[in-house]
Parts: sequence; C-alpha cells; structure tokens
Amino acid sequence: GENVEQHPSTLSVQEGDSAVIKCTYSDSASNYFPWYKQELGKRPQLIIDIRSNVGEKKDQRIAVTLNKTAKHFSLHITETQPEDSAVYFCAASMGNAGNMLTFGGGTRLMVKP
Amino acid sequence: EAEVAQSPRYKITEKSQAVAFWCDPISGHATLYWYRQILGQGPELLVQFQDESVVDDSQLPKDRFSAERLKGVDSTLKIQPAELGDSAMYLCASSFGQGVDTQYFGPGTRLTVL
Repeated sequence: GENVEQHPSTLSVQEGDSAVIKCTYSDSASNYFPWYKQELGKRPQLIIDIRSNVGEKKDQRIAVTLNKTAKHFSLHITETQPEDSAVYFCAASMGNAGNMLTFGGGTRLMVKP
Repeated sequence: EAEVAQSPRYKITEKSQAVAFWCDPISGHATLYWYRQILGQGPELLVQFQDESVVDDSQLPKDRFSAERLKGVDSTLKIQPAELGDSAMYLCASSFGQGVDTQYFGPGTRLTVL
C-alpha cells in the first residue's frame, strides 16, 4: 500500500518568515495530494490540494509543489503569522473509486511573534 | 456552512466495555469515511462507505470493530470489547463522490479506555 513520510515533525519560525514542509510518497499511482491544517482540539481542514497533472498551485500565502519523478511534494507558507500555528498533515491518494487518503505523520508548526 | 457532525465528543470507558460513535455527514455526500488518529500521528483510514455499501474495510480490526451505514446517510462505528490500545480520536469524514473530492472532517470523538 501507499506510504507517506513527512518532515520535519516540528518546525519553529519567526513571524514573517517562510515555512516549508516536505512529504514523500511510495506509490507512483497516487495522483491527488491534499494538505490539511489541524488546530489544537479542532477538526482537520483542507487548506490546499494538488493533482498530478500540475506541478504547482498557489492560494495567497500558501503554495504546494509536486515532483512526480521524485515522488515528493511540499507545502510552502510565506509571511507566516501566529494564526498559522497548527499541525499540518499531507496525504496522498490514487483518486480512484475509493479516494482513500494515506496521511503523513504531521508537522507541528509554531510561529513566534 | 454545512458540517459533518459527530457524537459524543468525548467518551471514557473501561476496557472490555462496548462503545459506539455516531456520524452524520454533510447532506448529499455519498461517501463516508471513519479514521482513527492516535495522538501525535496522522489519521488512519478504518472504513469507507459509498452510500450504504462498504468500499474498503481492510484496516478495520473486525474481531472487535464494526461499522454500518444502513440507510446510506448517518453511520455508527462500534467497538466491542474496547481495549487500552483503542484510546484515540475517531474522526468521520464525508465527500460528495467517490473520486477526487474534498473530504470534510467532523470534530471527532476522543475515546479514552481505562
């Protein structure tokens, strides 16, 4: 089955700096890669996703890049703010009949004011 | 904005007892997922329904876990008997279709087994 590894497990940045979180996946058939943000005690919420037919996607301060050859994808957050502090999870799916997501282990991002 | 509902939010039980969790997906969402999230880890899929049918339950420990979605709307996940290692957050998610559709998560049920 699919295996997703996520690094780093914790990341501390100063407000205004950029943050980058990286994930690798094992199954070359995976073609859908969402990122979820989970604040303490709250539900995971989708912040951005990318499909395998594109290499990069941006939404304001958030961007995701995908390298299918190397089987890795990354989340980039620019101009970080204290409210960006949360746990971020990457996931991968083959997007087929099941669309079953395999999640990475999570990255705890702390943005210091 | 419609959200996935789950109850209870918290459950404390003793080992060997039975527990049940309920999930009500977003109206019109045909696909429903149950995940288990151990503290400090990512969610792990337990079972997926398409309407009332199970699409995948390969990761569901069937000797003690069961899940149903009888009318293709709300769903119940049951554990009997509960074990200490079952302590975790149980998340329900739903999506409109089966393909590459956004999965929306509920608030989860935090289970503590004593």
